[in-house]
Amino acid sequence: KAGVTQTPRYLIKTRGQQVTLSCSPISGHRSVSWYQQTPGQGLQFLFEYFSETQRNKGNFPGRFSGRQFSNSRSEMNVSTLELGDSALYLCASSLAGTAYGYTFGSGTRLTVV
Amino acid sequence: QKEVEQNSGPLSVPEGAIASLNCTYSDRGSQSFFWYRQYSGKSPELIMSIYSNGDKEDGRFTAQLNKASQYVSLLIRDSQPSDSATYLCAVNMSGGSQGNLIFGKGTKLSVKP
Repeated sequence: KAGVTQTPRYLIKTRGQQVTLSCSPISGHRSVSWYQQTPGQGLQFLFEYFSETQRNKGNFPGRFSGRQFSNSRSEMNVSTLELGDSALYLCASSLAGTAYGYTFGSGTRLTVV
Repeated sequence: QKEVEQNSGPLSVPEGAIASLNCTYSDRGSQSFFWYRQYSGKSPELIMSIYSNGDKEDGRFTAQLNKASQYVSLLIRDSQPSDSATYLCAVNMSGGSQGNLIFGKGTKLSVKP
């Protein structure tokens, strides 16, 4: 059974650019959440999608957005990149939501220069 | 502000000893609790979930939950060098299946041969 797949694994972008990250959840999983992980702040919740609808959103600026498609695949977009956006971005999927625990993907390491 | 607190460590234990990891959370209505293990350079991996007061055992791992005191703990018996990792406590804050999963910053465990 395939796990959670995130692409790309590594990304280098310039300040001011925008970036799109992709996540394919485990087959049958309808809930997809995104997290930002940095050494100082740890894992911080960005948003959760379930059946193409955003159910929850963390405390991140509007530059961070996401969406989910009918096949449960999800994308997140960061516009007008800042140096502080450099982080590991993790996608996680669950059968139906946070009560059931998450399976994480390998992450996308974003470096903003 | 809903928070999950963990001692950052590092916690160092000799091989074969019991490692005890603790976590407190702020939201009294929290319903689901998880422990994740994260090896350096890897993504978090779910190792235990617990939903009701008391102990839950899985192999060498025991999760303990006390909702009245708002704490969760993880015991690792017969610790092995391969257990050396960062352990993340995660709590589903008051939202049922739709709640936010909030992570602590993790406790780094080092098991010395």
